[in-house]
Amino acid sequence: EIVLTQSPATLSLSPGERATLSCRASQSVYNYLAWYQQKPGQAPRLLIYDTSNRATGIPARFSGSGSGTDFTLTISSLEPEDFAVYYCQQRYTWPITFGQGTRLELK
Amino acid sequence: EVQLVESGGNLVQPGESLRLSCAASGFTFSSYAMSWVRQAPGKGLEWVSDISGSGESTHYADSVKGRFTISRDNSKNTLYLQMSSLRAEDTAVYYCAKTRSPTMYNFDSWGQGTLVTVSS
Repeated sequence: EIVLTQSPATLSLSPGERATLSCRASQSVYNYLAWYQQKPGQAPRLLIYDTSNRATGIPARFSGSGSGTDFTLTISSLEPEDFAVYYCQQRYTWPITFGQGTRLELK
Repeated sequence: EVQLVESGGNLVQPGESLRLSCAASGFTFSSYAMSWVRQAPGKGLEWVSDISGSGESTHYADSVKGRFTISRDNSKNTLYLQMSSLRAEDTAVYYCAKTRSPTMYNFDSWGQGTLVTVSS
């Protein structure tokens, strides 16, 4: 099983600041890494797929990068609605796995 | 517009069985693989199972293998999860999720979730 480790566990920032979230895989997942956003009481929402492709309707302030085992989700300038929990997910092999999440909280 | 509506969640005792359903609309159901993903209270996301568009191929997490069975009825646009020998650790919100493309297992649409509670 591929283990995805996200860091930091919690990130405290203010609106307008840049957020950088990390996801490290226990073995290469090539570029088959996605990012999701989840707000309290809501289902997750796909943000980025295959490392750097924004899903439909996702604002340009969200971007993804990386390859192999190290990946980054960047939010260029935080909006109030961006404070949420973010998960990475690999689809390279079964079992499909998610990271444990990074909580982005308002400073 | 894609819609996924789960149902069937309930409070059950350990060892009992339960069947979840997910009614899909707004897309060609038979063309897409579908998954179940769960989230225990206050915890992260855990992939449970998936099934190909035709229903011929399935995969399971080790934590549910041999106890849960995923299936689909493409004539009814409905996904199912038959859960047996339920344990306390199966307590979670269960989401059904649609894959982004027929062969790419990222999930671009999710239902609202249905709560399964396993407790005596």
